[in-house]
Amino acid sequence: KAGVTQTPRYLIKTRGQQVTLSCSPISGHRSVSWYQQTPGQGLQFLFEYFSETQRNKGNFPGRFSGRQFSNSRSEMNVSTLELGDSALYLCASSKGLAIEYEQYFGPGTRLTVT
Amino acid sequence: AQSVTQLGSHVSVSEGALVLLRCNYSSSVPPYLFWYVQYPNQGLQLLLKYTSAATLVKGINGFEAEFKKSETSFHLTKPSAHMSDAAEYFCAVTTGGFKTIFGAGTRLFVKA
Repeated sequence: KAGVTQTPRYLIKTRGQQVTLSCSPISGHRSVSWYQQTPGQGLQFLFEYFSETQRNKGNFPGRFSGRQFSNSRSEMNVSTLELGDSALYLCASSKGLAIEYEQYFGPGTRLTVT
Repeated sequence: AQSVTQLGSHVSVSEGALVLLRCNYSSSVPPYLFWYVQYPNQGLQLLLKYTSAATLVKGINGFEAEFKKSETSFHLTKPSAHMSDAAEYFCAVTTGGFKTIFGAGTRLFVKA
């Protein structure tokens, strides 16, 4: 069974631009969660989508948004990029809500904002 | 609010020695506790999960963790370290709000 895939793996953007990251979950998984990983803040939960609905949200500004499609694939968008948005963005999929089912993580998208 | 503290950002052990990575959670008992491992340039992999079924949880790669409510701890152990265990380890809890909160991580070094 194919694992969680994230595209692109690496991305360089300029301050003020916007970016869209993509996550394809494991086949049959209906929940996708997004996390931001930085050396200073560690791993922080962004949001979780289940059946195309956002079920949980972390403490991030509205510039961070996401969506999930009917095939469970998910996208995360960050608008008006700031230098502090440079991070590894991880997505994880699970059969159901992450609180009940094991999460499988993708390799991440490394975003660099210059 | 639920929180997770991992004691020691770096731990170094010799190959064959006991591995002990410490994790403490805030006082309210979380629904679930986890340990994840992250190898360089990779995502996280679940090592084990506590769900209140048993206080001693066995995971993959010879790791296990014991839930101790009186100490609000969920320390990860492995009797004998292997070079391939060198990685970063994260303790995590789920909250009543269905969010997963991660500790800051502990990088494990294994010396030959």
